[in-house]
Amino acid sequence: AQKITQTQPGMFVQEKEAVTLDCTYDTSDPSYGLFWYKQPSSGEMIFLIYQGSYDQQNATEGRYSLNFQKARKSANLVISASQLGDSAMYFCAMRESGGYQKVTFGTGTKLQVIP
Amino acid sequence: DTEVTQTPKHLVMGMTNKKSLKCEQHMGHRAMYWYKQKAKKPPELMFVYSYEKLSINESVPSRFSPECPNSSLLNLHLHALQPEDSALYLCASSRMKTGLHGDEQFFGPGTRLTVL
Repeated sequence: AQKITQTQPGMFVQEKEAVTLDCTYDTSDPSYGLFWYKQPSSGEMIFLIYQGSYDQQNATEGRYSLNFQKARKSANLVISASQLGDSAMYFCAMRESGGYQKVTFGTGTKLQVIP
Repeated sequence: DTEVTQTPKHLVMGMTNKKSLKCEQHMGHRAMYWYKQKAKKPPELMFVYSYEKLSINESVPSRFSPECPNSSLLNLHLHALQPEDSALYLCASSRMKTGLHGDEQFFGPGTRLTVL
């Protein structure tokens, strides 16, 4: 079974608008961490934001915020005020406490920002 | 220094060649990773080194041989590769904290490998 599901292969957003990228996950481990990475066409994976399963508040990092709904097992990334440089592939990932250093990635969402 | 460097950026090799990919970090991270990424796919974990010891090998064929000479360096030795091994090879590192919080992975720019 897929541990991380990203159901949007591609998304378009107008510049300066907000966009939500969906991510659902599946785990029976009570302790886990969720990560979002951005991968521009150049190839480098850039860490954006982290949410721990025990964190009481939704994570925020600048224009990035994470809408964490634990009961629904979803961890959607919200990008506010989109910029042209936000055009990239976005991956949701999870690390379970029982999984040592292993991180499982979703299939990704390609975001294109339109001027 | 908050970056992971990888060399070379591009590599073209024949199926009989032997080559190596190199990865370096100077952030004091104690976990280092090799991933393989095919076009339009997520990264696939190959190997993990924790405190310079191989801790995870995701059933990778023996034509890929990892090496961790010290806490800052990670190599991937390649021998007798197949055309289907052509991919982007990403190296990453992380602090290896005992808890999950803040243990994000920092990635290098990758090596684009083409096997002819």
